[in-house]
Amino acid sequence: KQEVTQIPAALSVPEGENLVLNCSFTDSAIYNLQWFRQDPGKGLTSLLLIQSSQREQTSGRLNASLDKSSGRSTLYIAASQPGDSATYLCAVKRNEKLTFGTGTRLTIIP
Amino acid sequence: GAGVSQTPSNKVTEKGKYVELRCDPISGHTALYWYRQSLGQGPEFLIYFQGTGAADDSGLPNDRFFAVRPEGSVSTLKIQRTERGDSAVYLCASSLIQGGTGELFFGEGSRLTVL
Repeated sequence: KQEVTQIPAALSVPEGENLVLNCSFTDSAIYNLQWFRQDPGKGLTSLLLIQSSQREQTSGRLNASLDKSSGRSTLYIAASQPGDSATYLCAVKRNEKLTFGTGTRLTIIP
Repeated sequence: GAGVSQTPSNKVTEKGKYVELRCDPISGHTALYWYRQSLGQGPEFLIYFQGTGAADDSGLPNDRFFAVRPEGSVSTLKIQRTERGDSAVYLCASSLIQGGTGELFFGEGSRLTVL
């Protein structure tokens, strides 16, 4: 059974700093990995999707990497802003099912 | 529509009642998914539709839960004889294509509270 772990569970950093969120998964036989953002009381917003054959994807200040063989992904956020405060979830896909981690709650301190 | 639409956004019901939650996917998306998210947890898979048929319903917790998608677009998640443990946010997602390149887009969710 696939298990997805996100560390740390919560993170607070001053505005302007670069930061890295971690995601690990136990079964490397995945189709893709997707990073989401979730604001309190809201649904999930897709940030980046990395196919199993890819190593990384970039969108603006966000960069996600994937090391499938070691079961790890990182989400790098550059020059953090207060608006980046949210919970960040990673999810791996296999056989049309996404398995999610429990998320990292990020707080950017102005 | 522009995004996945879910109604109602909030539903409060009493234990033992019947509940229906509706999902309207992004136009043209053939794949539709239901997930359930409890407080402080990541979403958990319930059921997946490809077109009108339920391709995988292995995540439904018991036979009180049922979902339909009769015309391959709108889907309804039905919960019979609700229990307090059913309280959660029910999320719907759709995808243009299945498989590895299929990116899922989620709605805002329906928050169900069973008293």
